[in-house]
Amino acid sequence: QKEVEQNSGPLSVPEGAIASLNCTYSDRGSQSFFWYRQYSGKSPELIMSIYSNGDKEDGRFTAQLNKASQYVSLLIRDSQPSDSATYLCAVPNSGAGSYQLTFGKGTKLSVIP
Amino acid sequence: NAGVTQTPKFQVLKTGQSMTLQCAQDMNHNSMYWYRQDPGMGLRLIYYSASEGTTDKGEVPNGYNVSRLNKREFSLRLESAAPSQTSVYFCASSAGGNQPQHFGDGTRLSIL
Repeated sequence: QKEVEQNSGPLSVPEGAIASLNCTYSDRGSQSFFWYRQYSGKSPELIMSIYSNGDKEDGRFTAQLNKASQYVSLLIRDSQPSDSATYLCAVPNSGAGSYQLTFGKGTKLSVIP
Repeated sequence: NAGVTQTPKFQVLKTGQSMTLQCAQDMNHNSMYWYRQDPGMGLRLIYYSASEGTTDKGEVPNGYNVSRLNKREFSLRLESAAPSQTSVYFCASSAGGNQPQHFGDGTRLSIL
């Protein structure tokens, strides 16, 4: 059984601070990793993809991947109230189940003005 | 850019009724998926279609059937709706393999 673990939160940060969201996964063969943002009552929206160890930056978002530790994180710099949402980590299953993603249950982020 | 389109957006059914949720994508993706999302349970895969002509069960397939009508369309059918199937249903599509999935806006289904 593939597992993706996230802290459920809620994670509260003040406006302008850095929000740090963490995710661990069990499938050592996974080659790509995704972060989705889901606003309340809306569908998940892909915000970051990362495929190799290290950091990937896109605007205020940075994804960090450490395959040896089976750990992926998402940093949100200069957090804004509009960043308040649930963030889902998703990892493709390696091998025969490679058409499927395993999703974490999400971390709820609240940015306080 | 339409992406993934789901219909209907909302539906209320009585126990025992049947209905079909429709999903279409215009991204030329090979793979399509149906999920349900319930509070505290996260996204759970119902069925998926890795490519046109194939369908496979996911984590929670009981009470559902699917049809991959063509490359664009993937429908989910509830033959005899039960209150336990009250949920938000999301369709998604992907180019396959290690590629991300893209979601439709969802169908909010209530079964009384």
